[in-house]
Amino acid sequence: AQSVTQPDIHITVSEGASLELRCNYSYGATPYLFWYVQSPGQGLQLLLKYFSGDTLVQGIKGFEAEFKRSQSSFNLRKPSVHWSDAAEYFCAVGAVNTGNQFYFGTGTSLTVIP
Amino acid sequence: GAVVSQHPSWVICKSGTSVKIECRSLDFQATTMFWYRQFPKQSLMLMATSNEGSKATYEQGVEKDKFLINHASLTLSTLTVTSAHPEDSSFYICSARDLLAGNTYQETQYFGPGTRLLVL
Repeated sequence: AQSVTQPDIHITVSEGASLELRCNYSYGATPYLFWYVQSPGQGLQLLLKYFSGDTLVQGIKGFEAEFKRSQSSFNLRKPSVHWSDAAEYFCAVGAVNTGNQFYFGTGTSLTVIP
Repeated sequence: GAVVSQHPSWVICKSGTSVKIECRSLDFQATTMFWYRQFPKQSLMLMATSNEGSKATYEQGVEKDKFLINHASLTLSTLTVTSAHPEDSSFYICSARDLLAGNTYQETQYFGPGTRLLVL
């Protein structure tokens, strides 16, 4: 069965510190992988996506993520966090042969302290 | 590009009434739209997949007669919560996918800003 796991429910980092949000997936086919960010009361904004090719993908707002097939992971990273990065982050998996359904992780809430 | 809007952003209604939520793709044709429900501090739960010109496909456990979905055009899908009850209060988010953006198969879903429904 398809599933997405975000092991960290909540993370707190200091402004300027580095960040890594974990995402593991279980999928029977080649996955398409996404990271979305959600500010309070808002919809989801796409940060980055991986379909194929280079396993290190760059996104908006200085985020990047690395696809590691051997570990079934797609962790999100940012070298220096800004206070405006405080939000909820969702990892999602999708593929053509599932009817294009997305499977979302439960999300990681990020708090940034001054 | 790839902007999705939802209307209304907020709705408060009395129990027993019906509420319609619109999802529009503003600058692309959305062959497929998705409706999600999100409870506070939880992830998104897919309710149904809506394809233009055909019946929506509902996820297990989602009542078709309660959550009516219509995808009448390539830019508009509507979700109607019929006979709403307090337990239907939630944050409803739609997403849209441009299947053939630039003749390249696209899997990316673009999300609307969400509609918060409160049923009294």
